[in-house]
Amino acid sequence: ETGVTQSPTHLIKTRGQQVTLRCSSQSGHNTVSWYQQALGQGPQFIFQYYREEENGRGNFPPRFSGLQFPNYSSELNVNALELDDSALYLCASSSGTGNYGYTFGSGTRLTVV
Amino acid sequence: DAKTTQPNSMESNEEEPVHLPCNHSTISGTDYIHWYRQLPSQGPEYVIHGLTSNVNNRMASLAIAEDRKSSTLILHRATLRDAAVYYCILRTGTASKLTFGTGTRLQVTL
Repeated sequence: ETGVTQSPTHLIKTRGQQVTLRCSSQSGHNTVSWYQQALGQGPQFIFQYYREEENGRGNFPPRFSGLQFPNYSSELNVNALELDDSALYLCASSSGTGNYGYTFGSGTRLTVV
Repeated sequence: DAKTTQPNSMESNEEEPVHLPCNHSTISGTDYIHWYRQLPSQGPEYVIHGLTSNVNNRMASLAIAEDRKSSTLILHRATLRDAAVYYCILRTGTASKLTFGTGTRLQVTL
């Protein structure tokens, strides 16, 4: 098992710009979720994809969007970046939508200036 | 989503057992109890989960109260590598997301 890998590890963007974060799921996993973690807080659910379809979304505006590809890798796109978007973005994968444990990546640290 | 309540922080000595409590008085019958931990500079790591019966795995044990309104994560012998934030999470059988609180920060000292 290779685990979940995310790229890049760190990123600095300017307010108003757009950003794409990438995630490779653990081998055999067909479900991927994205979370935002502000400093000192627990992760907050953004959305989840199962077999390339979004099947759950948290309380985030439409400028947060995603994709899942046939190989189950995934992207998180954020448009019109705001300073409050500065956070650690975590990708997690699992082998189904039931009560399985999720495998998290180490995250992408996004700083918006 | 059902809420959980955990102490903000706990301390333990190395090689001693640690009992991390979690209250979830509004738990529903379909909610599973999940535990994750997050080591510094890493993403959360799955620890264990259960529904009604106590569960054991190589990392920890999960003790669930008979009325399911509380649970306890047990680390049998804490090591320095167990220092992390531990999250207790309720997840329904068909829901997709994990709802994290602020967790319990565990410090382990020599």
